[in-house]
Parts: sequence; structure tokens; C-alpha cells
Amino acid sequence: KQEVTQIPAALSVPEGENLVLNCSFTDSAIYNLQWFRQDPGKGLTSLLLIQSSQREQTSGRLNASLDKSSGRSTLYIAASQPGDSATYLCAVVGGAQKLVFGQGTRLTINP
Amino acid sequence: ETGVTQSPTHLIKTRGQQVTLRCSSQSGHNTVSWYQQALGQGPQFIFQYYREEENGRGNFPPRFSGLQFPNYSSELNVNALELDDSALYLCASSSEGNSYNEQFFGPGTRLTVL
Repeated sequence: KQEVTQIPAALSVPEGENLVLNCSFTDSAIYNLQWFRQDPGKGLTSLLLIQSSQREQTSGRLNASLDKSSGRSTLYIAASQPGDSATYLCAVVGGAQKLVFGQGTRLTINP
Repeated sequence: ETGVTQSPTHLIKTRGQQVTLRCSSQSGHNTVSWYQQALGQGPQFIFQYYREEENGRGNFPPRFSGLQFPNYSSELNVNALELDDSALYLCASSSEGNSYNEQFFGPGTRLTVL
């Protein structure tokens, strides 16, 4: 059974810092990994999708890496801004498009 | 291009009642998945519909059921509501039942069971 863990559960940093969010998964047989952002009480916004054959993806200030063999992914956020405050979720797809999610990292950027 | 939409936004029901939640998939997508997200938790997979057929189910009891229509919109029905069913219900759409494809989520329906 696939299990996804995100560390830390919560993170608070001053504006302008670069930061890294971590995601680990127990079964390396995945099709892809997605990072999402969720604002309080809202739906999920897809940030980055990394296919199993890829090592990283970049979008603006965001960079996600994937090491399938070790079961790890990181989301790097450069030059953080207060608007980046949200919960960040990672999820893996192992088959039948079923996403298995971690519990998320709640990020607060302090002005 | 229209994104994933869900209705209603919020819903309050009492224990034992039945509820129907609706989802319209993104244009061009024929696969819809439903997830339940309890407060402070990651979403949990309920089931998926691909071209009007159930295509996978998570660890949810039979009182959670669904439908997908020819236009690929979908319904989630929950019978005999329990207090623990209070959650944010999310639907996601993608194309062609392909595990490599990105999934796009709607804004969710917040269900409160009293």
C-alpha cells in the first residue's frame, strides 16, 4: 500500500527566504507525482507535474525534483512572498489515476 | 476552456439523510475522480469514473455511490449520512483514463452533517 509523508507539517519563514518542502513515498512504482497548493477551505491548484521518467520540473519560482528510486520529491520555492502562504500537498499516481496524497505542509510567509 | 466546476458550494444535512454532489469536468476530459478531505488531512480517493463506468474504488462503504453521464459530468451520492462524512468533497478531471495525465481539481463542496 502506497503511503506518502510530508515533512515538515508546518513551516513559518520570513519573506524573501528560499525554502524546501519534502515529500516521501513508500512504493517507487509510480506514474507521476504532482504538487498542489490549497488555500484555506478551497480546492486544489496544480503547481507541477513530474512524470516518472523525469527528474525535475520548473515553473516560475517553483522547482520540483523527483528521485523515484529513493522515493523522494522536493518542492523548492525561491524568494518566498506572503502570497505563497498556503498548504502544499504532494500526491503520487500508482495506477488507475488514483492520487495518493500526503497530509500537506502548511506554509506561512511572514512580511 | 472551462475548468472543473462543482455544486453546491456548501451543504448542511442531518444524520441519516441522503446527499447528491455534482461535478462538471473540464472540457475535453472524460475521466472524473472523487476525493474526500477531512479537516487537516490530505484528500482520500473515493472512486473514479471513466467513460461512464466505475474505474477504481477506494476504501469507502457502498453507501458512497456515483454516476457519470454521457457529457462526462458526474454525481456523488451518499446515503445514510454520518457525522464523520462532514468533509470537503473534491472532484478532479483528466483525459483518457491515462495514469500519466495531470488531474485538475474543482473548488470542492463543503458538506456538514449535524
